[in-house]
Amino acid sequence: AQSVTQPDIHITVSEGASLELRCNYSYGATPYLFWYVQSPGQGLQLLLKYFSGDTLVQGIKGFEAEFKRSQSSFNLRKPSVHWSDAAEYFCAVLPHNFNKFYFGSGTKLNVKP
Amino acid sequence: DTAVSQTPKYLVTQMGNDKSIKCEQNLGHDTMYWYKQDSKKFLKIMFSYNNKELIINETVPNRFSPKSPDKAHLNLHINSLELGDSAVYFCASSPRGPPDTQYFGPGTRLTVL
Repeated sequence: AQSVTQPDIHITVSEGASLELRCNYSYGATPYLFWYVQSPGQGLQLLLKYFSGDTLVQGIKGFEAEFKRSQSSFNLRKPSVHWSDAAEYFCAVLPHNFNKFYFGSGTKLNVKP
Repeated sequence: DTAVSQTPKYLVTQMGNDKSIKCEQNLGHDTMYWYKQDSKKFLKIMFSYNNKELIINETVPNRFSPKSPDKAHLNLHINSLELGDSAVYFCASSPRGPPDTQYFGPGTRLTVL
């Protein structure tokens, strides 16, 4: 079955530490890939997206993500987390020739002072 | 300036009532969406419209009826509300549809008692 998996429901990191949030998908061909952030009481905001080309994509707020075809993964990273990064992060995929997005269940990030 | 706005932000109502949620975007986008985010944070597409034309109509109960009076507005009307309708409903828009970036509204938290 087609799916988007974010295996970590909650992650806690210390401020200044590095961060990696995992996302795996199971679709036949490489889909379009996205990461969104949702702050409390807010809508989702796009952090970055991958369509094709360079497998390391840069986004806003210092985030980056790497597409690994062999692992069907699109993990989100940040070298140094700030307290304001505490939020919920969603991975999303758009299969080619489809017209709707599929979202993962989200990873809630807590940042310790 | 709010790009995608939703009203109301909170909606508490009794089972069996009929309610509407309004969405407006001032981005000049052609495509608008309704998503439902359940208590486990899963975000699932319900409907999408492109230039007032229904494009996606997921398997949601007939009690849910979207209406797009013009391409800047996409309202969601829900008849005979049930407990299971309690969720956060997000409106979004994108310039031309997938894979264009979606811009989300702040959400409407619906609680059915």
